[in-house]
Amino acid sequence: ETGVTQTPRHLVMGMTNKKSLKCEQHLGHNAMYWYKQSAKKPLELMFVYSLEERVENNSVPSRFSPECPNSSHLFLHLHTLQPEDSALYLCASSQDRASNYGYTFGSGTRLTVV
Amino acid sequence: QKEVEQNSGPLSVPEGAIASLNCTYSDRGSQSFFWYRQYSGKSPELIMSIYSNGDKEDGRFTAQLNKASQYVSLLIRDSQPSDSATYLCAVRGAQKLVFGQGTRLTINP
Repeated sequence: ETGVTQTPRHLVMGMTNKKSLKCEQHLGHNAMYWYKQSAKKPLELMFVYSLEERVENNSVPSRFSPECPNSSHLFLHLHTLQPEDSALYLCASSQDRASNYGYTFGSGTRLTVV
Repeated sequence: QKEVEQNSGPLSVPEGAIASLNCTYSDRGSQSFFWYRQYSGKSPELIMSIYSNGDKEDGRFTAQLNKASQYVSLLIRDSQPSDSATYLCAVRGAQKLVFGQGTRLTINP
């Protein structure tokens, strides 16, 4: 496999559920990112990992919990979400945080909280 | 002032015409600039990158950069209905890319 792979593609969960989003990159990149994209809103950067270390957390509620066990994998653990958390969640990677090249995005997980 | 600004549109262009998308940024020290295309319900796809002043052409796409005026633009020649999408401008800031809100482009047959 190549590129950035996200699973699942679609997820419907209740407000009391616990679920996890998975991202895997096969590009040898050292930085990985979680973005949230709501309808008619710009991309919102949630978390940044560089060499498996979280380096940025943009005031994201604690019901979102990221995990980066190695440089190829990134998870977003979800717990007691709210309906307003329904959005497209995008994972991206780059060579490193200072790279002059753009990010490569995964196909995203469309999350619906009911 | 937003770090990266784009007109959200929608921008409607007839098929075969030139579509012009604009973006301004606030960080004068920015060195790398990108255009992403995002189809509805899909993830952003990198289509152009530009690093120095002037024009960069790739097929029907031309990116233009003017660092003195702090703007970057994307021209799409011979627009096709398949070009209908949201176009995101991204600018390399300190340690991360900063995205604009995107311009929704519609090509009318």
